[in-house]
Amino acid sequence: KQEVTQIPAALSVPEGENLVLNCSFTDSAIYNLQWFRQDPGKGLTSLLLIQSSQREQTSGRLNASLDKSSGRSTLYIAASQPGDSATYLCAVVIQGAQKLVFGQGTRLTINP
Amino acid sequence: GAVVSQHPSWVICKSGTSVKIECRSLDFQATTMFWYRQFPKQSLMLMATSNEGSKATYEQGVEKDKFLINHASLTLSTLTVTSAHPEDSSFYICSARPLAGASYNEQFFGPGTRLTVL
Repeated sequence: KQEVTQIPAALSVPEGENLVLNCSFTDSAIYNLQWFRQDPGKGLTSLLLIQSSQREQTSGRLNASLDKSSGRSTLYIAASQPGDSATYLCAVVIQGAQKLVFGQGTRLTINP
Repeated sequence: GAVVSQHPSWVICKSGTSVKIECRSLDFQATTMFWYRQFPKQSLMLMATSNEGSKATYEQGVEKDKFLINHASLTLSTLTVTSAHPEDSSFYICSARPLAGASYNEQFFGPGTRLTVL
């Protein structure tokens, strides 16, 4: 059974810092991995999607990496801003299945 | 592009009543839609997978007679919570997978519906 773990559960940093969020999964047989952002009481916004054959994806100040063999992904946020405060979720699609398996999320707070 | 809407955004109902939540893909067609439930400060739990024109596939432990799902068109799926009770109070989120033009199983999520049962 695929399990997705995110560390840390919560993170608080000063504005301007670069930071890394971690995601690990137990079964390396995945199709892709997605990072999402969720603001309180809102739905999910897709940030980055990495196919299993890819190593990383970049969008603006965000960079996500994938090491499928070790079952790990990281989301790097450069020059953090208060507007980056949200819960960040990673999710994987298992090979042969349709559904996303989510981690518990990292609640990020950027302090002005 | 790839916008998913949900209606209503929030609903309060009395115990014993039924509530219908709509999920629409606004600018794309979706053969598959997914329904999730999220408890406060927890992650999303998949409830069921809905395929257009066929019966939904429910996850283990989800009562199909309580959570009725209908996917009548390529842009609309509905979730009906029947005979709602306070323990059904939760945040319900749907997602839709495009028929074409997206990565495998890339899903786009709606804004969620907050259900409160009194």
